[in-house]
Amino acid sequence: DTGVSQDPRHKITKRGQNVTFRCDPISEHNRLYWYRQTLGQGPEFLTYFQNEAQLEKSRLLSDRFSAERPKGSFSTLEIQRTEQGDSAMYLCASSTKEQSYEQYFGPGTRLTVT
Amino acid sequence: DAKTTQPTSMDCAEGRAANLPCNHSTISGNEYVYWYRQIHSQGPQYIIHGLKNNETNEMASLIITEDRKSSTLILPHATLRDTAVYYCIVRAPGTYKYIFGTGTRLKVLA
Repeated sequence: DTGVSQDPRHKITKRGQNVTFRCDPISEHNRLYWYRQTLGQGPEFLTYFQNEAQLEKSRLLSDRFSAERPKGSFSTLEIQRTEQGDSAMYLCASSTKEQSYEQYFGPGTRLTVT
Repeated sequence: DAKTTQPTSMDCAEGRAANLPCNHSTISGNEYVYWYRQIHSQGPQYIIHGLKNNETNEMASLIITEDRKSSTLILPHATLRDTAVYYCIVRAPGTYKYIFGTGTRLKVLA
């Protein structure tokens, strides 16, 4: 299967700990997005990469959040000093420039902060 | 700010057409409307998108009003597998920020 993969699928952490999630997009996709989704809500945009460049970042993303895509392939999302409000599903999506209307989503990483 | 408004939930009988409305009155002139759906425990899946003309693909049809302030997604013959949350999405003008609403939970009934 050559879809978008995310790792880990589930993460339980204690408040104050740092966590890092990984996303592997479809190989020829140069556009990569991160979203956060809480129960009963639609996905909320966090950040966007075009190749290795981070071109858009939500104002909602506090300084505790950082994302990278060092070689324009996989991406990581790090949350420092986690808070209970960070508990959510973190979704990664990728697309090509030519078909940017169709984002392919991964299965997500479910984060629980205790 | 760009936003979309959808009914919270809808039911549809299996085999009948499901018509899902969306209000996007703040959409700017050159931004598309996108529709995705999310089946429980999976990531969202692309369905269709449009600018001003009606669109049809193998999954659905999209009807956009002339003033572009609203649209309707039509699943012509709903099946039980179409049970999902359907999102109408717009992009904030001049950005790469896609804005999902709270979606419509469609339940297809046997």
